[in-house]
Amino acid sequence: ILNVEQSPQSLHVQEGDSTNFTCSFPSSNFYALHWYRWETAKSPEALFVMTLNGDEKKKGRISATLNTKEGYSYLYIKGSQPEDSATYLCAHSPDSGYSTLTFGKGTMLLVSP
Amino acid sequence: SQTIHQWPATLVQPVGSPLSLECTVEGTSNPNLYWYRQAAGRGLQLLFYSVGIGQISSEVPQNLSASRPQDRQFILSSKKLLLSDSGFYLCASCVGLNTEAFFGQGTRLTVV
Repeated sequence: ILNVEQSPQSLHVQEGDSTNFTCSFPSSNFYALHWYRWETAKSPEALFVMTLNGDEKKKGRISATLNTKEGYSYLYIKGSQPEDSATYLCAHSPDSGYSTLTFGKGTMLLVSP
Repeated sequence: SQTIHQWPATLVQPVGSPLSLECTVEGTSNPNLYWYRQAAGRGLQLLFYSVGIGQISSEVPQNLSASRPQDRQFILSSKKLLLSDSGFYLCASCVGLNTEAFFGQGTRLTVV
C-alpha cells in the first residue's frame, strides 16, 4: 500500500448500532497514525494519535487499534448516536525524515434516529 | 492548545487573478505547518508543508506556492488562478507528528 486508504467510503447506521471503519497505510515506513472527526461546517478535530504497534486508545464510546506490522488501524464506535454523524479521517506520518501527514479520503458516517 | 486563524472564509476570484491565503497560529512555537486542499468529491490533498521559517516542501507540482515569513505565519499564493484551483483550503499546525494537528476554519475558493 503506497497511500492511505479508508473503507468504507460511507456508512449509514441506525441509532444504537455499533460500527467500525478501516484505515490502511504503508507498513514499511511508519511513524504515527492519526484519527480525526470532521463535522460539516467545522474544522477537523483529533480523536487519537497512535505510534506503537498494538496501541489501543479509547475516548468515550469511540476506540481505535493499531497494527503497524500489517499496516492497518480500526476505529470503533459503540452505540452510535446521531451526533456521531461526521466524516472520520485517518492520517499517516512516515518515519523517513519527511514531516508529512497524509490523509485518507475519509469515511462518511450518518446515524439515523 | 493551539488556535489556527485562517482567512478569508470564502473567496470568489476570476481566472488569472492572484491569490493570497493567510494562516496564523497562536499558542505554540516552531510548529510544522501544512496547507491542504479538498477538491469537490475528493479527500484532503497535502499541498505544502513547512518545518521552519523559510523552509517549504511541495508535495504536488501545481499553480500554487507557499511561504513562511514568520514562525507562526503560513501563506498560500498564486500569481494566476486556474479553474482547477477551486476547492476548500485548510491550514493545519502540528508541534510533532506524534501529537494531534490543529486546523483552521478553512477557505472556500471558487475560481470563475
